[in-house]
Amino acid sequence: AQSVTQLDSQVPVFEEAPVELRCNYSSSVSVYLFWYVQYPNQGLQLLLKYLSGSTLVKGINGFEAEFNKSQTSFHLRKPSVHISDTAEYFCAVSEGNTGNQFYFGTGTSLTVIP
Amino acid sequence: GAGVSQSPSNKVTEKGKDVELRCDPISGHTALYWYRQSLGQGLEFLIYFQGNSAPDKSGLPSDRFSAERTGGSVSTLTIQRTQQEDSAVYLCASSPKATVYGYTFGSGTRLTVV
Repeated sequence: AQSVTQLDSQVPVFEEAPVELRCNYSSSVSVYLFWYVQYPNQGLQLLLKYLSGSTLVKGINGFEAEFNKSQTSFHLRKPSVHISDTAEYFCAVSEGNTGNQFYFGTGTSLTVIP
Repeated sequence: GAGVSQSPSNKVTEKGKDVELRCDPISGHTALYWYRQSLGQGLEFLIYFQGNSAPDKSGLPSDRFSAERTGGSVSTLTIQRTQQEDSAVYLCASSPKATVYGYTFGSGTRLTVV
């Protein structure tokens, strides 16, 4: 079975500082990787996704993530955070070409401190 | 509609009562998914519909949970004899076809069983 690990449940960071949110997965098959963001009282919004090709993926709001197959990781980064980035971030994995459901991590709560 | 609509947004119910949660997907989206988001446990896959049929019910936690979709559009998730452990946010997502690539999530229904 697929599993997704987000080691950091809470990440506080000062405004304009860089941030990295970690995600590791376990799978013996090819995977598609995603990061979603959830603002308070809202649904999940897609930040970025890796399906194939370049391992460095750029998403919305200045976020990027790098797929590392050997380390089975897909860490999310942003060079300079804003107050508006305060939210819950979820890493998700789907398996292969027939996957129709996500396996989600438990989420990382990012708090940007003014 | 423009997005995935879920109702009600909040529901408080007494233990033992039945509840119905509604999801209205994006027009034309043939695939529909239900997830449960529990505090500290991330998102848990419940059920997937392709049209009106449910090829994957593997995530339903017990026989108290059921779901249906009519007319290839609106879906209802029913929880019978609710228990306190059913308290969670129930999220619905739809996509144009049965892949995770085009998922759009609704804002969810927050269910509280007292």
